[in-house]
Amino acid sequence: NAGVTQTPKFRILKIGQSMTLQCTQDMNHNYMYWYRQDPGMGLKLIYYSVGAGITDKGEVPNGYNVSRSTTEDFPLRLELAAPSQTSVYFCASSYYTLSSGRAYEQYFGPGTRLTVT
Amino acid sequence: QQQVKQSPQSLIVQKGGISIINCAYENTAFDYFPWYQQFPGKGPALLIAIRPDVSEKKEGRFTISFNKSAKQFSLHIMDSQPGDSATYFCAASIVGGGGNKLTFGTGTQLKVEL
Repeated sequence: NAGVTQTPKFRILKIGQSMTLQCTQDMNHNYMYWYRQDPGMGLKLIYYSVGAGITDKGEVPNGYNVSRSTTEDFPLRLELAAPSQTSVYFCASSYYTLSSGRAYEQYFGPGTRLTVT
Repeated sequence: QQQVKQSPQSLIVQKGGISIINCAYENTAFDYFPWYQQFPGKGPALLIAIRPDVSEKKEGRFTISFNKSAKQFSLHIMDSQPGDSATYFCAASIVGGGGNKLTFGTGTQLKVEL
């Protein structure tokens, strides 16, 4: 298993450009997440999905969009990039069943470092 | 609004010493408290986690201490090694609470010196 893979690893965008960050997991996890990590600020949740076709906002969703058409893929779209979106973006996935009531580990990808200038 | 406060921001420990990182939370509905370890250029990886029905959990050199009444939990790294040098994040979530969303602390950069 490759786990959670993210592309690209690095990207420089000009203000106003758009791009899609790709995320794929091969663990058949139903839950997927997008976080951004800024220096000294920890990780903040942008969007999450509890299954194909279901997405919801996290703590910092403004300026981003997501879709979840398959279990494996959860792309993050940046429209009209702004310098405030300069960050490291992490995709994560986990498995959860309501009947188990137990917490499952979130597995993180290697991240995409994005710079907007 | 920071729901999980982590301290210290950075920590230097001698090889063989004990590293202690503390976190405090506000939301009493949180019922899952993991610690993640992150090496430079990598994504965070789960180190150890605890549910509030126990006050301590130990896995090898790593121990979580949990104080429900004080709404605090801490990570203890015994016999710290240079390979433990990394950034550590505490987090909290509500199991089953609409996506098991993690709220992270701001991180602690640990350096273990020889």
